[in-house]
Amino acid sequence: DSGVTQTPKHLITATGQRVTLRCSPRSGDLSVYWYQQSLDQGLQFLIQYYNGEERAKGNILERFSAQQFPDLHSELNLSSLELGDSALYFCASSTGDSEHGNQPQHFGDGTRLSIL
Amino acid sequence: GQQLNQSPQSMFIQEGEDVSMNCTSSSIFNTWLWYKQDPGEGPVLLIALYKAGELTSNGRLTAQFGTTRKDSFLNISASIPSDVGIYFCAGRYTANQAGTALIFGKGTTLSVSS
Repeated sequence: DSGVTQTPKHLITATGQRVTLRCSPRSGDLSVYWYQQSLDQGLQFLIQYYNGEERAKGNILERFSAQQFPDLHSELNLSSLELGDSALYFCASSTGDSEHGNQPQHFGDGTRLSIL
Repeated sequence: GQQLNQSPQSMFIQEGEDVSMNCTSSSIFNTWLWYKQDPGEGPVLLIALYKAGELTSNGRLTAQFGTTRKDSFLNISASIPSDVGIYFCAGRYTANQAGTALIFGKGTTLSVSS
C-alpha cells in the first residue's frame, strides 16, 4: 500500500460528459502529480501541484484541469470527454518538489476511465 | 522532446535466470527511478538513483545510474514467479519553473515460467 488513495477505481461515462477524479496524497506529502496511462502513449505526466499551487505542467489538454485543496487532496477535472480520453489516470505524491531535494514519487492504484 | 528508450520490450525467462533491462536517453536526468507495475495497480517504486555512477541494490534487484547521466540499467537475479510484471524506468527532470516531473520508458514486460 503506497498510502496514496484514488477514487473512484472505475468510471464509465459518455462522450461530451465531465468527470472529477480524486486523490489523497500520503500523509505528510505536499506534492501531487497526475499522470495518464494509455496503451499507445504509456505513462504521461499531466500536472503537478505543490502545497496548493500549480508547479509544473506537462502534456495536459485544455479540457483538463486540476486543483489542490488546503487539506492537500487533489482533483483532476476532465471535460468534453472524447473516446481517446479512455485511459488509466494515476495520482502520485512526494514530500516536496525539486526545490527541496530529491524525493521519489509514490503512486496510487489509479482510476480507470472508460468513455463509451 | 525528452524520450526514454527502454529495452527489451518483453522478456520470457525460466525461473532462476537473471534478467537485465536498460533505459537510454539523449537527455540528462538528475534522478533515475525503476518502478514495477502489476495488473490493476499503480507503479511501485523499486529503486531510486540520485548520483551518476551510483549502484544500488534492493534484495535481488540491482540498478545503476549511468556515468553520462543518460542511461540506467536494472538487473534481477535468480528470478521467481512473483517477478512477473511490467518494469518501467523513469527519469526525473525539472518541468517549467521549479516543478518536477517524471518521464517514463514504455516498459519491459517480464514473464517467468516455473
